[in-house]
Amino acid sequence: DTEVTQTPKHLVMGMTNKKSLKCEQHMGHRAMYWYKQKAKKPPELMFVYSYEKLSINESVPSRFSPECPNSSLLNLHLHALQPEDSALYLCASSQDVGTGAYEQYFGPGTRLTVT
Amino acid sequence: AQSVTQPDIHITVSEGASLELRCNYSYGATPYLFWYVQSPGQGLQLLLKYFSGDTLVQGIKGFEAEFKRSQSSFNLRKPSVHWSDAAEYFCAVGRISSGSARQLTFGSGTQLTVLP
Repeated sequence: DTEVTQTPKHLVMGMTNKKSLKCEQHMGHRAMYWYKQKAKKPPELMFVYSYEKLSINESVPSRFSPECPNSSLLNLHLHALQPEDSALYLCASSQDVGTGAYEQYFGPGTRLTVT
Repeated sequence: AQSVTQPDIHITVSEGASLELRCNYSYGATPYLFWYVQSPGQGLQLLLKYFSGDTLVQGIKGFEAEFKRSQSSFNLRKPSVHWSDAAEYFCAVGRISSGSARQLTFGSGTQLTVLP
């Protein structure tokens, strides 16, 4: 099973709202990622968690707050977003370095609209 | 720093015709190379990958890609395109960042249109 699930599929929120995106994988992967993708563009890396610890933050504004409660779950907490934050948010995971498997598996994404 | 170039922004082919999508990379070490496909509003699906060994790799949905180190290329091919292949295609190069994490550098993508 190479499935990464994301909820919700769609989210509309106002600029003063607080919401969360959720990502889950049951492949035993130890690295998880958040990407942001605007229309007609490639995904842009936001955060990387490795063994449940934040290892990369690509200078993302503090209104995006990631959380990795356990090795299967990844959350992205949203607060005081701007309309330009509207995008498709993708979660991905990859396996441990020891196995030699390097590919990332992506979820279907959450389509976020900020009004 | 690594980079990936997909020279063709948009390609149109007729159903049943052959397809080749171009990808050139810049990377100092042996690259880990990937092709992903994305249908509108969907996530990315891995088509195939190259780490080492045989330079011609087979993927899902009848796709294959050939790694050519001398040309720094990793072009994607399919002998006969189906209407369902219409999508955005991304080439990517991967590197180890920290721990078990892998960072991907994506090309800008190629939009494939398939004519009936």
